[in-house]
Amino acid sequence: AQSVTQLGSHVSVSEGALVLLRCNYSSSVPPYLFWYVQYPNQGLQLLLKYTSAATLVKGINGFEAEFKKSETSFHLTKPSAHMSDAAEYFCAVSDTGGFKTIFGAGTRLFVKA
Amino acid sequence: IAGITQAPTSQILAAGRRMTLRCTQDMRHNAMYWYRQDLGLGLRLIHYSNTAGTTGKGEVPDGYSVSRANTDDFPLTLASAVPSQTSVYFCASSEGLGDHYEQYFGPGTRLTVT
Repeated sequence: AQSVTQLGSHVSVSEGALVLLRCNYSSSVPPYLFWYVQYPNQGLQLLLKYTSAATLVKGINGFEAEFKKSETSFHLTKPSAHMSDAAEYFCAVSDTGGFKTIFGAGTRLFVKA
Repeated sequence: IAGITQAPTSQILAAGRRMTLRCTQDMRHNAMYWYRQDLGLGLRLIHYSNTAGTTGKGEVPDGYSVSRANTDDFPLTLASAVPSQTSVYFCASSEGLGDHYEQYFGPGTRLTVT
């Protein structure tokens, strides 16, 4: 069965600092992995996704994530945080041929001036 | 291009009342989904549809029903609302079901059941 664990419900960084949001997954088959972002009072939108083409995936707004099979991780990073990055971030996993996408509980990112 | 629209934006509903949340997409996507979002629990799938005329149960289907009469519309009905159904509801769509397909989300409906 698939599952997703996001470590840390809240992360706070200073503007200009590295952003690291952690995601670990479990899947019995090669997974598809996603990061979505949710700004206040909006729906989720896709940041990036892993579909086995490359382990390092680049997304929008300077975010990237690396698929590490040995660690079953798909952590999201951004070298330099901006105030506009303050939002909630969701990691998600689905299986090849599966019908469900499982979402993590979310990590709220705060960016301090 | 509107993408996905949901109505109403928010609603306060008395317990025991019937309520239909509306969802329409204009992307001709085959798959559609309803999720509820609760603090600390992320998104939980209520119902989904692979194509017009077919629906399936998600993780938390009890107390909810859906229909998919055509490609564009996927309404969610609460037959008799209860306070535990207070939540933010998101409709989403994708080209195909699950797998590698990214989902596109509507802006959400905030429902309070009193």
